[in-house]
Amino acid sequence: NAGVMQNPRHLVRRRGQEARLRCSPMKGHSHVYWYRQLPEEGLKFMVYLQKENIIDESGMPKERFSAEFPKEGPSILRIQQVVRGDSAAYFCASSITNEQFFGPGTRLTVL
Amino acid sequence: DQQVKQNSPSLSVQEGRISILNCDYTNSMFDYFLWYKKYPAEGPTFLISISSIKDKNEDGRFTVFLNKSAKHLSLHIVPSQPGDSAVYFCAASEGQGGSEKLVFGKGTKLTVNP
Repeated sequence: NAGVMQNPRHLVRRRGQEARLRCSPMKGHSHVYWYRQLPEEGLKFMVYLQKENIIDESGMPKERFSAEFPKEGPSILRIQQVVRGDSAAYFCASSITNEQFFGPGTRLTVL
Repeated sequence: DQQVKQNSPSLSVQEGRISILNCDYTNSMFDYFLWYKKYPAEGPTFLISISSIKDKNEDGRFTVFLNKSAKHLSLHIVPSQPGDSAVYFCAASEGQGGSEKLVFGKGTKLTVNP
């Protein structure tokens, strides 16, 4: 029973480029969450999705960031025109009941 | 505005002794609390949780205590083992955690010395 999968594990982008982070939830899980962790900080909620629906995007920056969870395929977190401040670890979690299970994260570095 | 606070950035204990990690929260709407353990370069791993209708939950060496009036919870690890060395995050939600966003503390780095 595979856990939450995220790819790539490491991503390097130059300022102004786009970053696409992918998350495949655990089998049978229909809830997906994205969190961001800056250095020396806790994880901060960004967005909560169910299949084809955004349920809560209260933690998403208003510009450049978007997320989707299509009917088929992984959830995608997309960051357009990246800036150095976007450098962080991005974690995806999935759930079916009470606990959220996290993936290994994608470490984004913006040069 | 930190709604979940872990005031000790680090804790060091001897193998076999008890580790006590503390967490305070400010949002009275929180009613579900979780502890996660995180190793470097990995995602957080769920450890134990507690609903606000309880004041204690135990799972093997791990026990979580909740004091709602003080808005305080703690994680006890007995006995501590070197493999427990990791960063521990306290998290809270306004629902049952599976369909609500989690609010995390900044973490406490636990080191268990052999």
